[in-house]
Amino acid sequence: KQEVTQIPAALSVPEGENLVLNCSFTDSAIYNLQWFRQDPGKGLTSLLLIQSSQREQTSGRLNASLDKSSGRSTLYIAASQPGDSATYLCAVKTTSGTYKYIFGTGTRLKVLA
Amino acid sequence: DGGITQSPKYLFRKEGQNVTLSCEQNLNHDAMYWYRQDPGQGLRLIYYSQIVNDFQKGDIAEGYSVSREKKESFPLTVTSAQKNPTAFYLCAGQASGANVLTFGAGSRLTVL
Repeated sequence: KQEVTQIPAALSVPEGENLVLNCSFTDSAIYNLQWFRQDPGKGLTSLLLIQSSQREQTSGRLNASLDKSSGRSTLYIAASQPGDSATYLCAVKTTSGTYKYIFGTGTRLKVLA
Repeated sequence: DGGITQSPKYLFRKEGQNVTLSCEQNLNHDAMYWYRQDPGQGLRLIYYSQIVNDFQKGDIAEGYSVSREKKESFPLTVTSAQKNPTAFYLCAGQASGANVLTFGAGSRLTVL
């Protein structure tokens, strides 16, 4: 059974710092992995999606990498800003034929001004 | 603007009542999902639908029901059989052949 873990559960950093959020999954047979942002009391916003054949995806200050063999993905945020404060979740889609996604519990990020 | 609209944003239920959460989309998504989010837990799948008039149970379907009579609409009913319904409920959609999940803003249900 696929399990997705995000450590740490919470993280505080000073503004301007580069940071890495981690996502681990137990079954390397994934179809894709998606990173989301969630602000308090809001829905999820998709940030980056990495297909199983890809190693990384970039959007602005965000870069997500995928290492299937080790069961890990990282979300790199460059030059963090207070507006980046939110909870970041990753989700794994296990096969192409399924519509089911397995979500991690998220990392709550606070960027201090 | 295209998107997924959930209503109401906040809902209060007395014990023994059924309540229905609305989810409407104008993105022409084939697949739609309902998730439940509790503090400290990941999103858990309640029901999903791949096409009109068809839906499947997710991991925590007990005490919930859905319908998919129109492509645009996927309402969720929280029945009195759901013993712990207080939670944040999220509806999502996905276009056929696409991979990105698009979420609504969520509905927070509180049992009084």
